[in-house]
Order: sequence, then C-alpha cells, then structure tokens
Amino acid sequence: AQSVTQLDSQVPVFEEAPVELRCNYSSSVSVYLFWYVQYPNQGLQLLLKYLSGSTLVKGINGFEAEFNKSQTSFHLRKPSVHISDTAEYFCAVIGGGSQGNLIFGKGTKLSVKP
Amino acid sequence: DAGVIQSPRHEVTEMGQEVTLRCKPISGHNSLFWYRQTMMRGLELLIYFNNNVPIDDSGMPEDRFSAKMPNASFSTLKIQPSEPRDSAVYFCASSFGQLGDTQYFGPGTRLTVL
Repeated sequence: AQSVTQLDSQVPVFEEAPVELRCNYSSSVSVYLFWYVQYPNQGLQLLLKYLSGSTLVKGINGFEAEFNKSQTSFHLRKPSVHISDTAEYFCAVIGGGSQGNLIFGKGTKLSVKP
Repeated sequence: DAGVIQSPRHEVTEMGQEVTLRCKPISGHNSLFWYRQTMMRGLELLIYFNNNVPIDDSGMPEDRFSAKMPNASFSTLKIQPSEPRDSAVYFCASSFGQLGDTQYFGPGTRLTVL
C-alpha cells in the first residue's frame, strides 16, 4: 500500500534562510510524487510533481525537490525563503486506481520569521 | 478560467441535521475527488468519480455520507444525519483523470456541527 511520511510537523526558519522539508514514501506501484502548498484558509495548490525523467524537479515560487529512489525520499527545498512562504506543505503519492487519487502526508507547517 | 467552485464556504449546523456540500469542477475535467481535512487525520480521500461514475468510495466513513455526480459539472456530498465528529474542512478537487495529472482544489467548505 502507498503511504507518505513527513518527518517534521513544524519547521521554523528565518527569512532568507534555506529550508528543506522532508518526505519519505512507500509505494508498491509506479512512483508519482507531488508537493502541494496550503495557505491559511485556502485550498491546496500544486508546487511541483515528479512523474518520470530528471530526478530534480523545479516548481513554482522557487521551490525544487529531488526524487531519490534508493532512499525513497522526495524532499522539498528552497535556497532562500520569504515571509510569504509561510504555509502548510503536503507531500503526496499516487494511490491505487487508474485515476490517480492522492495519498497525503500529515503536512509540515513552515513558519518564516523576520 | 474559473477554478473549482465549492459552496457554501462555511456551514454551521446542529447535530442531526442534513448537510449538503456542492462542487463545480473545472470545465473539461473528467475526474472529481472529495477530500476531508481534520487536525487528527489530516487529508483523507472520501470518494472519487471518473466520467460521473463513482470509482472508489472506500473512504466514505459510513452510511450517513453519500455523494452524487449527476453530470460533468456538478457534484454533491451529503451527510444525513450530521454529527459533531463530522466537523472538518471538505475539499473538492478535479483533474483530467490521467495518472499523474494535477488535481486542482477548491477553496473548501468548513463544516461545524454543534
């Protein structure tokens, strides 16, 4: 069965510092991985996704993630964060079924402080 | 283009009442997903439709929950009777339905059952 573990529930960081949000997955099928962001009182928005090809995936807002098959990880990184990056970030993997329902991790709350 | 539209945005009701949540997916999308978000359980898939047909409803908590998709542009999630433990944010998402396609989320309906 597919599952996702986000190792940190909260990550505080100062503005302009680098950040890494960790995600490990378990999947018995082809691996398709996603990172979504949720700003307060809003729905989820796709940051980036890995389907195949290059293991380094670039997304919106300066975020990138690297797929590491041997470590079953898909960590999200940004070299310099802004106050506006304060949000909750969800890692997700495709569940079973051909239509691709998502299985989400518990989320990581990123808090960027001035 | 309009994104996924959900209504109402907020719903407060009393235990035992019927609650109906509504969703209009993005035009042209043929998969629709209902998720529930709570502090305790995170984001959970309740049910998803492909071409208006329910594909997997294994996430529906119990018989009090039902979902319909009478046409490609409208879906409802109904809870009857509602209970305080149903309090959560309910998200609708849609996609083109191919494996790996991005799911686009609505803003959610925050349900409070007193």
